[in-house]
Amino acid sequence: SQELEQSPQSLIVQEGKNLTINCTSSKTLYGLYWYKQKYGEGLIFLMMLQKGGEEKSHEKITAKLDEKKQQSSLHITASQPSHAGIYLCGADNTDKLIFGTGTRLQVFP
Amino acid sequence: NAGVTQTPKFQVLKTGQSMTLQCAQDMNHEYMSWYRQDPGMGLRLIHYSVGAGITDQGEVPNGYNVSRSTTEDFPLRLLSAAPSQTSVYFCASSQIMNTEAFFGQGTRLTVV
Repeated sequence: SQELEQSPQSLIVQEGKNLTINCTSSKTLYGLYWYKQKYGEGLIFLMMLQKGGEEKSHEKITAKLDEKKQQSSLHITASQPSHAGIYLCGADNTDKLIFGTGTRLQVFP
Repeated sequence: NAGVTQTPKFQVLKTGQSMTLQCAQDMNHEYMSWYRQDPGMGLRLIHYSVGAGITDQGEVPNGYNVSRSTTEDFPLRLLSAAPSQTSVYFCASSQIMNTEAFFGQGTRLTVV
């Protein structure tokens, strides 16, 4: 079965710093999703990547799917307290949507 | 615009009790699923459905039952609650596979 591993598990950064979260799959990725979860709330969709080399941006968040389609990275530029939360990558696995282990991001002033 | 609605938001059960977590969506989505979220473990798929009358098991189905009699509703039943089922449960729906999934706000369940 396919597994998604995220790194790091936890990240504490100072406001204004850049950061990167990685998502590595045990199998080829055919659809990769990034979600954000604020503490105690549901998941909010950020973006979806499908093609190797594809890169998408939303405000200060950029995600990329590598050429070999087994890894994705999420990069946040000039982090803000509003970026704090849990970031989860998800992937289509046949007819199921599975998720990675999550990365907890804290941003301090 | 309700989206995906889960009830209840919080629940405390005694070991051995049964209960049903409700999930309803008003977007006419075919695909619905249930996940549980435990600390440090991301989201794990319990059961999912690709349409009314069709359900299948996910990664951690033991101790849970589902049914999908209508497109809108996808209830999750705990037959005999155990402390290991203490978790936060999320319901999600999407129009089809390979599209954005919408999540409910979650149900925080504690089994004592």
